[in-house]
Amino acid sequence: QVQLQESGPGLVEPSETLSLTCTVSGGSISGYYWSWIRQPAGKGLEWIGHIYSSGTTNFNPSLKSRITMSIDTSKSQFSLWLNSVTAADTAVYYCARDVTLTSQMYYFDYWGQGTLVTVSS
Amino acid sequence: SYELTQPSSVSVSPGQTARITCSGDALSKQYAYWYQQKTGQAPVLVIYKDSERPSGIPERLSGSSSGTTVTLTISGVQAEDEADYYCQSADSSGAYQVFGGGTKLTVL
Repeated sequence: QVQLQESGPGLVEPSETLSLTCTVSGGSISGYYWSWIRQPAGKGLEWIGHIYSSGTTNFNPSLKSRITMSIDTSKSQFSLWLNSVTAADTAVYYCARDVTLTSQMYYFDYWGQGTLVTVSS
Repeated sequence: SYELTQPSSVSVSPGQTARITCSGDALSKQYAYWYQQKTGQAPVLVIYKDSERPSGIPERLSGSSSGTTVTLTISGVQAEDEADYYCQSADSSGAYQVFGGGTKLTVL
């Protein structure tokens, strides 16, 4: 059974950079795309972007200018950096595994439990 | 930006049938997927490729597609089905993934 676990600071100051890591266990990180998805309190889900095990990335156009992602297959980990954060970036951040049907069609079969990141001074 | 539209809430009595719709211009070209999210938990995939059900998902949950609208149907609703449900798909170019705003299913 594949398991994902998010980790990182729960509090980030405005204008700083949010950084999160997702650790994958119970399965291989290679050969898959891995996504970050967030959910502000009481609101819906927003896809942030994903990274393939080779390092190829694709991001949500609304966030693209502020996102960096990386992957370390030796550690079975992938990471998200979101810079210039504001209160609007306060959310529960999930990592998830993509099931890729085509380059345009994919969905998420395994999710982490989520981690709350609050942007505040 | 591309949007998927869902009703904000649906209420049904136990044993009845709940139908949750999701509308979007690209749904005639793109598959839709459905997730169930219970309070304080991560979303769980319940339907993929419009109508396929992952293993372990009860048969009373089913999906269908017609034109630019997809529908999640829950037959014989049980108290445990009370949750938020989200549809997901891609914009017409497939450039990025979008979620609907979510539908809160209340079992009366």
